[in-house]
Amino acid sequence: GEDVEQSLFLSVREGDSSVINCTYTDSSSTYLYWYKQEPGAGLQLLTYIFSNMDMKQDQRLTVLLNKKDKHLSLRIADTQTGDSAIYFCAETEGSNSGYALNFGKGTSLLVTP
Amino acid sequence: GAVVSQHPSRVICKSGTSVKIECRSLDFQATTMFWYRQFPKQSLMLMATSNEGSKATYEQGVEKDKFLINHASLTLSTLTVTSAHPEDSSFYICSAPVDSNTGELFFGEGSRLTVL
Repeated sequence: GEDVEQSLFLSVREGDSSVINCTYTDSSSTYLYWYKQEPGAGLQLLTYIFSNMDMKQDQRLTVLLNKKDKHLSLRIADTQTGDSAIYFCAETEGSNSGYALNFGKGTSLLVTP
Repeated sequence: GAVVSQHPSRVICKSGTSVKIECRSLDFQATTMFWYRQFPKQSLMLMATSNEGSKATYEQGVEKDKFLINHASLTLSTLTVTSAHPEDSSFYICSAPVDSNTGELFFGEGSRLTVL
């Protein structure tokens, strides 16, 4: 399948901003998502963005999409220790693929006091 | 909001036995559900797409006879790992689309299978 790439680790101090980056290769990607996975748990949808959007903001979360470069980022403002988790970037072509998601390997975010 | 529930959350079995994992959509109907597998510290890999009333669509490299999928109703899909072996030990997660406009998926809590 198409590739979704993420950096594997990120460490930030509590209160700082975190930026998690993702690149993808499928130019047919219609929807792009950020999921959060806490240890031993399932996935929680954080936010998503349509491919025709450049930015989406939702409280502490800001998603930026550069469709030309196929680059997606997730910024978490005022990062808290409770934000420590693995963050997955995912994309789908949408109805053409039956909404099956293609995931990156996940970025492990560690927030230190 | 929409919820997808999986059961059991953890299962330990002996090598050679079969294990069934259930995925239920609790307050919505799902004609399609997706089964993912996650290896430790790795991403989720799509195994198959479960289709209500018809055969599942398996991804390349996934053994159909090994991972039996049944989507008998609009709210239930089951994954049966047949003749399980230690290499089948993994975290299995199901998901279902809840919004055809956004493609938004809700995920189950996952089922951790350990085969001894």
